[in-house]
Formats: sequence, C-alpha cells, structure tokens
Amino acid sequence: TQLLEQSPQFLSIQEGENLTVYCNSSSVFSSLQWYRQEPGEGPVLLVTVVTGGEVKKLKRLTFQFGDARKDSSLHITAAQPGDTGLYLCAGAPGAGGTSYGKLTFGQGTILTVHP
Amino acid sequence: EAQVTQNPRYLITVTGKKLTVTCSQNMNHEYMSWYRQDPGLGLRQIYYSMNVEVTDKGDVPEGYKVSRKEKRNFPLILESPSPNQTSLYFCASRHGGVESPLHFGNGTRLTVT
Repeated sequence: TQLLEQSPQFLSIQEGENLTVYCNSSSVFSSLQWYRQEPGEGPVLLVTVVTGGEVKKLKRLTFQFGDARKDSSLHITAAQPGDTGLYLCAGAPGAGGTSYGKLTFGQGTILTVHP
Repeated sequence: EAQVTQNPRYLITVTGKKLTVTCSQNMNHEYMSWYRQDPGLGLRQIYYSMNVEVTDKGDVPEGYKVSRKEKRNFPLILESPSPNQTSLYFCASRHGGVESPLHFGNGTRLTVT
C-alpha cells in the first residue's frame, strides 16, 4: 500500500490567519485530489491535480502538486469559520496514465477556525 | 437529485450476526467503492467495483464481501461481524477514471458489541 502522510493532524487557528496543510509520500502518484468533509456527511471533492508542479486556485484555497508528483499542499488564505472541517488528500498510485482502481487517502487534517 | 444513498445510517449489532449495508447510486456510474473511516487512519478502501460483476479487493478486505449484480447497487456484507469492524463506512461512486470526482454517501456508523 502506498502511503500518504498528512500534516498537521490538527490545526486550530483564529479567523483571518493563513494555513498550509501538507500531503507527502515516498511514492509517485498519477493524480492527487483534495476533499473536505463535514460532520455527518461524506467527503466532497475540492480539486484534482494531475501535472507535476501544477497550481490550482479555488477562491481563498491554493492547491499545489509537487514537481515529482510525490507531494501536495493546500494553502488557505484568511481562513474563515466556514472553512472548519476535515481535509483529506487522496492519490492514485502510478507514474502516469489513467488508473481506474485504487485511491489512497491520507489520515486527514482537522481544521478548526475560531471566530 | 444525483446522489449515493446508504442504509442504514446507524447500526448496532452483536458479534457474529450477519448484516448488509446497502448502497445505491442514481448517476449511472460504472465505478463504486466501499471505505471505512477510523480516527487517525483516514479512509481505507475495502472493496471496489469497476462495473457490473467486476469486484476487486482494496486495502482492508478481510471480513467483508461485496456483490455488483446491478450497476446502481453495491451492498457491503459482513458475514460474521467482529468488534474490530466497528467503524464509519462510506460508499462512493464515480464516472470515468481516478481523476474524476468520487461521490460519497452520508455514511453508516456501525457498532459491533
């Protein structure tokens, strides 16, 4: 099993602060996704990155895929209480092409943004 | 409304009593999968299915069975549940390859005593 290590596991910050969540592996992934999960619900996809070095922005969220496709980061600018939730990265193992089967998830980062 | 529906949402059972958690999707997705979520371990894949009558083991398949007789349904079967299968279970589906969005159900919280 190819592992994805997320850090930090817990993050508690004040509204308006910036934060970065990391997702690291020793293995190469053909693509990487970030999901957000709220209590009592299933995860919801935020973004998919597929190209090494790719950067995608979603309002105040910036996602980056490492050049070697072994790591990714999620940066939130000026966090708001509505950003509170569990953030999960998920990678498709392999060096390239479309993989249909397994998707490996990181352990998750629980983010709490206080007003 | 496009959705993945799991039932039941909550289930308490005793060791050894066979149970089935149902999962149905109305999006005509080929791919369906079951995950379990435990604190500090993230989501771990139990089984997945790339189409009707095609199923494969994920990372933690021991103690579970699945079937995919119809495209929309993918039930998870625990023949003889044990306390270490107490967990939060999610069913998910998607159309296309692994870069496509996974659509999750709202989860089934299972407790085995």
